[in-house]
Amino acid sequence: QQPVQSPQAVILREGEDAVINCSSSKALYSVHWYRQKHGEAPIFLMILLKGGEQKGHDKISASFNEKKQQSSLYLTASQLSYSGTYFCGTDATSSNTGKLIFGQGTTLQVKP
Amino acid sequence: DSGVTQTPKHLITATGQRVTLRCSPRSGDLSVYWYQQSLDQGLQFLIQYYNGEERAKGNILERFSAQQFPDLHSELNLSSLELGDSALYFCASSSAGTSLNEQFFGPGTRLTVL
Repeated sequence: QQPVQSPQAVILREGEDAVINCSSSKALYSVHWYRQKHGEAPIFLMILLKGGEQKGHDKISASFNEKKQQSSLYLTASQLSYSGTYFCGTDATSSNTGKLIFGQGTTLQVKP
Repeated sequence: DSGVTQTPKHLITATGQRVTLRCSPRSGDLSVYWYQQSLDQGLQFLIQYYNGEERAKGNILERFSAQQFPDLHSELNLSSLELGDSALYFCASSSAGTSLNEQFFGPGTRLTVL
């Protein structure tokens, strides 16, 4: 089942902060975050694993609440380059595959 | 540049036709994934291969098929094309075949069916 992302869209000024949420109705084993600029390939940002391990970029922070089946991506002191669509991808099967179900995306626009 | 290559970049064809999309994974990656992205559907997982074997399947249509070859490159075959198949098709690769590893996406193939 597709995870639900919120908000659908957000507009920021440079330097402002934003939080993007990803919620699932199923227990999650991992959550991936990607950013995609229009017409380009999604770029890996972060993986959060059941049990607390995280892998990703130093400048990106995120959390994973296993009990709530929810992950949040924190964008602080936003820059123009942060603009794009953010997708979370979830694995709710633990079937030893890489199959991810992606949310519908959150569009972030950072203005000068 | 993720290191994943896809050809062609653009493909325009007619309904009823068949096309083949090609993907070469990053050096050393054993797993390949195919995704479809259309305006109203977001990123839809189609299929995953790991070291030549099918590992996972999504809602891939019967008109679509894929394979991964011994040199690890992969091809996605789309047949009896319909207008609704117009989309951006991404290939991604990862070192292992589980969701514990990040996926690196190629630049995509934009398919237009007229």
